[in-house]
Amino acid sequence: QSALTQPASVSGSPGQSVTISCTGTNTDVGANDFVSWYQQRPGKAPKLMIYDVSERPAGVSNRFSGSKSGNTASLTISGLQAEDEADYYCNSYATIRTWVFGGGTKLTVL
Amino acid sequence: QVQLVQSGAEVKKPGASVKVSCEAFGYTFTAHYIHWVRQAPGQGLEWMGRINPNTGATNYAQKFQGRVIMTRDTSISTVYMELSSLRSDDTALYYCTRGGGDVWGQGTTVSVSS
Repeated sequence: QSALTQPASVSGSPGQSVTISCTGTNTDVGANDFVSWYQQRPGKAPKLMIYDVSERPAGVSNRFSGSKSGNTASLTISGLQAEDEADYYCNSYATIRTWVFGGGTKLTVL
Repeated sequence: QVQLVQSGAEVKKPGASVKVSCEAFGYTFTAHYIHWVRQAPGQGLEWMGRINPNTGATNYAQKFQGRVIMTRDTSISTVYMELSSLRSDDTALYYCTRGGGDVWGQGTTVSVSS
């Protein structure tokens, strides 16, 4: 199972919106609606930000939203804030009862 | 409070095995899969496998097939991940996480060095 493809880095200024893509195949991202996004700050465990493509866990800001089209999922962060600076990982359930992660995207708030 | 508490850091020599534990608190242990995810220094997240604490059934990433064993002890709400034939590139932070990804352990550092 190959890793999902994410851009290595994205950046944006405070108040702007950024979108992080996550491209898989028809055996993972394209095969189901079990795509999640995680935020990881240095030295910390990952934090769930989006699950089931577009659902937000309680306590996660509505500035975070998720979507999917075909084999590509996306995470959009609107109204960027300094505290959003972190690494972001996508994750998908795959048809062979496994998980697969993306390579991670470093978000820099300029 | 729902949490996963992992065992402490390990230092191993190449060729050895390591067994990391993950104890669940605050929820019905058998109701959620436990996944193991590792992160090498400066690298991304890598899924290793999962266990169904209710049945003990496991699914492993192909990369770790034959080298990883996940087990559970329902009497103490604990799952274990044992990785054998350790190599230097197994040096990483190992996490357990509940099936929905909403709860993560604090991570266990495993260092492999001669």
